Amino acid sequence: ETGVTQSPTHLIKTRGQQVTLRCSSQSGHNTVSWYQQALGQGPQFIFQYYREEENGRGNFPPRFSGLQFPNYSSELNVNALELDDSALYLCASSLRGTSYEQYFGPGTRLTVT
Amino acid sequence: KNEVEQSPQNLTAQEGEFITINCSYSVGISALHWLQQHPGGGIVSLFMLSSGKKKHGRLIATINIQEKHSSLHITASHPRDSAVYICAVIRNYKLTFGKGTLLTVNP
Repeated sequence: ETGVTQSPTHLIKTRGQQVTLRCSSQSGHNTVSWYQQALGQGPQFIFQYYREEENGRGNFPPRFSGLQFPNYSSELNVNALELDDSALYLCASSLRGTSYEQYFGPGTRLTVT
Repeated sequence: KNEVEQSPQNLTAQEGEFITINCSYSVGISALHWLQQHPGGGIVSLFMLSSGKKKHGRLIATINIQEKHSSLHITASHPRDSAVYICAVIRNYKLTFGKGTLLTVNP
């Protein structure tokens, strides 16, 4: 059983650019959630995908979008990057319907300059 | 007011001391996670619980659903326990996080 993986580990982008972050869920998990953690803050919920459909969204603008693929891996896309988007982006997978427990990936550190 | 409140925000202890971190929440939940995060690092789940008490090594977590309160205890604390401890409640399969407690254990 493989754990949750994320890529890339670190990323530096310029304001106005677009970025795609990737998450590979734990084997068999059907739900993935994305979180943003600014420096010194607790994580904030961005959105969740369940069986390839968005299943809830936090207080983030539409330039934050996502996808979940048939193999339950996921992408987080951010358009028109702003300096405040600099953060650690975490994904967590779970098996909805069986357990509430979420398993976290190591995160992607995004720096916007 | 945040849905999830943790206390204290910062905690400094001497090696060997008993540590308690508290978490209160204001909404109905399905379960609660206690998470650990080392500086610059990812998040590791320590416990998920929906009732009673769980123990793993020197860590103990308790929850009182009626009082909407949970505690994380560390017995015989060690410098390697130094980290941020985060309480997160689960509602509709989504997590809402507290701001975390920065624990520093000095040798």
